Amino acid sequence: NAGVMQNPRHLVRRRGQEARLRCSPMKGHSHVYWYRQLPEEGLKFMVYLQKENIIDESGMPKERFSAEFPKEGPSILRIQQVVRGDSAAYFCASSLAGGPDLATQYFGPGTRLLVL
Amino acid sequence: QQQVKQSPQSLIVQKGGISIINCAYENTAFDYFPWYQQFPGKGPALLIAIRPDVSEKKEGRFTISFNKSAKQFSLHIMDSQPGDSATYFCAANRGGKLQFGAGTQVVVTP
Repeated sequence: NAGVMQNPRHLVRRRGQEARLRCSPMKGHSHVYWYRQLPEEGLKFMVYLQKENIIDESGMPKERFSAEFPKEGPSILRIQQVVRGDSAAYFCASSLAGGPDLATQYFGPGTRLLVL
Repeated sequence: QQQVKQSPQSLIVQKGGISIINCAYENTAFDYFPWYQQFPGKGPALLIAIRPDVSEKKEGRFTISFNKSAKQFSLHIMDSQPGDSATYFCAANRGGKLQFGAGTQVVVTP
């Protein structure tokens, strides 16, 4: 009964490189969310996706960041041309549905990105 | 601006004591209020959650109290144990977007 899976767990990139973070939701979940947690801070919403659709990307930086959740395969958060300020823990969560009764979000272990 | 305000920032409680964490929100469109527990290096784990039409919910040693008119809710951890030492986050949901409080670091001393 696997929970939300994220990989890699740790990722080191040099400034200007690309970072790709992957998330596989819990079995049966079709809603995926990405959050970012800076050191000593709370989690900040980035994007909400369903299969092949972006529902809410109001928390995504306008440039360099993109996310997708294809029909097959994991959700991908992509950060192009990383900068030191992108260093953070990135968490993926999934839920059964988007309404309040079924909106419980279960989080993965996170990917810790370090930009040198 | 922070839509969910959480206090205190940190809390030290003796084993067997009660830990109380408070949260306040402004947006009445929030429809679901979960609490998460996070250990260092781990992802947040759902503890307990409540809807705004319920004033209290209890699960084991964890209780949420919800005051809709005051737009406040709180987490009570009864009989606190050293294993409860962690950071606790309140959150509020609207349309799938969780707004988190800043977190409370709880330390339970033996």
